[in-house]
Formats: sequence, structure tokens, C-alpha cells
Amino acid sequence: AQTVTQSQPEMSVQEAETVTLSCTYDTSESDYYLFWYKQPPSRQMILVIRQEAYKQQNATENRFSVNFQKAAKSFSLKISDSQLGDAAMYFCAYRSWGGSEKLVFGKGTKLTVNP
Amino acid sequence: GAGVSQSPSNKVTEKGKDVELRCDPISGHTALYWYRQRLGQGLEFLIYFQGNSAPDKSGLPSDRFSAERTGESVSTLTIQRTQQEDSAVYLCASSTSGRVPDTQYFGPGTRLTVL
Repeated sequence: AQTVTQSQPEMSVQEAETVTLSCTYDTSESDYYLFWYKQPPSRQMILVIRQEAYKQQNATENRFSVNFQKAAKSFSLKISDSQLGDAAMYFCAYRSWGGSEKLVFGKGTKLTVNP
Repeated sequence: GAGVSQSPSNKVTEKGKDVELRCDPISGHTALYWYRQRLGQGLEFLIYFQGNSAPDKSGLPSDRFSAERTGESVSTLTIQRTQQEDSAVYLCASSTSGRVPDTQYFGPGTRLTVL
């Protein structure tokens, strides 16, 4: 079974600075998807960014980018120019290419943005 | 509707009682998922519905948990004889077809407290 590990329970960053959240995963599959979700206090999970394992190019979405290292099974999220609205829980998630459609989540990292 | 909705937002019940949680997916989405989020944890997959196919119930933790879905619309998650360890936020998500690379869109969840 696949597992996702987020080793940083909490992180903090100064407004306008850059922060990187770590995620590692374990799988025997060669094709899969990886995601970062944001969960603000409202509880609603919001997709931040996704990466297809077959793509070598790292995904980017505005201020959010990932560093995908397939051999190392590492998938970190970089937030540039941090804003107060970025404060939330961030979850890394894995999804198989075929077969099970469920998402496998890490335990999350709580990000605090200091003004 | 504009997004996935869930009701009630919060539910407090006594140990041993049955509860029903409701999820209204985004209109036109054929795939629907239930996840459980215990305090300080990531999301755990419970059950997945895709169209008229048999649901994937592999994540249900015990036979006290069951879920139904009427066609491609509303789903109800039922927990019988609730226990204190059932206290959690129950999140519902929907996607267009359930096949990658669909994005799962989440509702705000129902916070269940079992006294």
C-alpha cells in the first residue's frame, strides 16, 4: 500500500518570504499523481497543485511550485512571496494512475504566515 | 450547485446513537468519495461511488459504517451505534468521472462529536 509522509508538523514564514514544505511517499508503482491540498480553518480542501509522475517538468501555479524527485520519492511544495491568506494546513496526497481512485494523504503541515 | 455541500455542518450525538451525514455533489459529477479526518490527522478514505458501478467500500472501518448514493446525486453516510472514536470531520468530494486526471472537489465537511 502507498504511504505519504509529511515530516514537518508545523512551519512558519514571514510575509513575502519563501517557504518549502516537504513530502515523501512510498510506492511500487511507476505511474501516479501527486497533489498538494490546502485546508484553511473553514475545513474545505482546496487543490493547490498537481503533478503527473510521468512528467519530468515540475508543476507551477503562480506563486506555488513543486520540486518532484521521482527517484527519491520526494514531492516538496515551494510557496513564494508568502501571503497572510496562505496560512492553512497543507496536505500532500498520492493517487494511483489506474485501479483505486482514492487519494492517500499525509498528516499535514500547519503553515503560519507572520506579518 | 456551485460546489459540494454537506449537512449538517456540526453534529453532536451520544454514544450508541445512529447518525446520518449528507453530501450533495457538484451537478454532473458521477464520482463521489467519503473521507474521514481525525483531529490532527490527514484524510482517510472511506468509500467511493462511480456511476452505477458497485461502490469501493474498502476504507470503511467497520460494519457500523455504511453509505448509499441515489443515482448520481445525493449520498448519505450512516454510522450506527456511534462510538467516541468515530468523532472526526467527515469530508465528501466529487469529481467528473472518477478517472485520473480528474480533480476531486471537497465539501466543507461535517464535524461529528460523539459524547
